[in-house]
Amino acid sequence: GENVEQHPSTLSVQEGDSAVIKCTYSDSASNYFPWYKQELGKRPQLIIDIRSNVGEKKDQRIAVTLNKTAKHFSLHITETQPEDSAVYFCAASGGSYIPTFGRGTSLIVHP
Amino acid sequence: SAVISQKPSRDICQRGTSLTIQCQVDSQVTMMFWYRQQPGQSLTLIATANQGSEATYESGFVIDKFPISRPNLTFSTLTVSNMSPEDSSIYLCSVEVLAGSGNGYTFGSGTRLTVV
Repeated sequence: GENVEQHPSTLSVQEGDSAVIKCTYSDSASNYFPWYKQELGKRPQLIIDIRSNVGEKKDQRIAVTLNKTAKHFSLHITETQPEDSAVYFCAASGGSYIPTFGRGTSLIVHP
Repeated sequence: SAVISQKPSRDICQRGTSLTIQCQVDSQVTMMFWYRQQPGQSLTLIATANQGSEATYESGFVIDKFPISRPNLTFSTLTVSNMSPEDSSIYLCSVEVLAGSGNGYTFGSGTRLTVV
């Protein structure tokens, strides 16, 4: 089955800096890569996703890149704000659309 | 996009008892998923529930411990049976954001279970 590795497990940045979270996946058949943000005590929320036919996707301060050859994808957050502090999960899924999640990255943005 | 109502939001249960968690979706969905999330950990898929058929369980999870019902396309229950303290966790149900789209998933608000 699919295996998703996510790094780092914790990321601490100053407000205004950029943050990058990286994930690798094992199944070359995976074709859909969503990212979720989970604030403390709340449910995971989908923030951005990318499909295997696209190399990059942006939504305001958030961007995701995908390298199919290397089987890795990354989340980029620019101009970080304290409200970006949360746990971020990457995921990968294939034809079944059932996602396999990474272990999560705790992002801390210091004011 | 689909909206899920999950209940109870939390419960404290005695070991050896069972708890049934309910998820109601505001639209018809083919697949519903049940996850467990232990504190500070990732999401672990317990099983996939399809209407009209037996649930499909992931490795390490069995029907006797986590029976699932899926009586129609908008509702599902997960029961945690014969509970022990190791079952203390957050349980979440999930469905596709837009049924059949393959466009990500939305989650219920979760059930925080504490077994004493």
